[in-house]
Amino acid sequence: KAGVTQTPRYLIKTRGQQVTLSCSPISGHRSVSWYQQTPGQGLQFLFEYFSETQRNKGNFPGRFSGRQFSNSRSEMNVSTLELGDSALYLCASSYSGGAQETQYFGPGTRLLVL
Amino acid sequence: KQEVTQIPAALSVPEGENLVLNCSFTDSAIYNLQWFRQDPGKGLTSLLLIQSSQREQTSGRLNASLDKSSGRSTLYIAASQPGDSATYLCAVSTSGTYKYIFGTGTRLKVLA
Repeated sequence: KAGVTQTPRYLIKTRGQQVTLSCSPISGHRSVSWYQQTPGQGLQFLFEYFSETQRNKGNFPGRFSGRQFSNSRSEMNVSTLELGDSALYLCASSYSGGAQETQYFGPGTRLLVL
Repeated sequence: KQEVTQIPAALSVPEGENLVLNCSFTDSAIYNLQWFRQDPGKGLTSLLLIQSSQREQTSGRLNASLDKSSGRSTLYIAASQPGDSATYLCAVSTSGTYKYIFGTGTRLKVLA
């Protein structure tokens, strides 16, 4: 079974631009969560989607948004990029997002904002 | 607000040593706790998941314990190997939510 895939793997943008990152979960998984990882703040939860609905959201500004499609693939979008948005963005999938389930992480998208 | 702390932040040990990584959390109302491993520039790999009703889980040379009342978990690695070198993260899922709160991580280096 293929793992969680994320595209692109690396991205360089300039301040003010917007970016869209993609995550394809493991086949059969319907829950997708997004995390931001930076050296200063560590891993922080962005949001979680299940069956095309956002169920939970972390403490990030409205510039960070996401969506999930009917095939469970998910995208996150960051508008008006700031230097501080440079980070490794990780997505994780699980069957239903239940707390008893193991989360499977993708390799991440490394975003650099210049 | 749930906060997760890991001690030590970094650890360097010779090959073959048994070692213990610590994780503490401030709110005992958790659904479960997971230990992850992260290699440089890579995503996370789940090592062990402990349900809130469980006390420990074992996988190979790894053993994780959970004491909810004291807000602590430990990851025990037996007979460490250079391939164990990575950052180890613990994460808790909080009651009623689907999000995980991650600890600050312990960067482990096992010397050959």
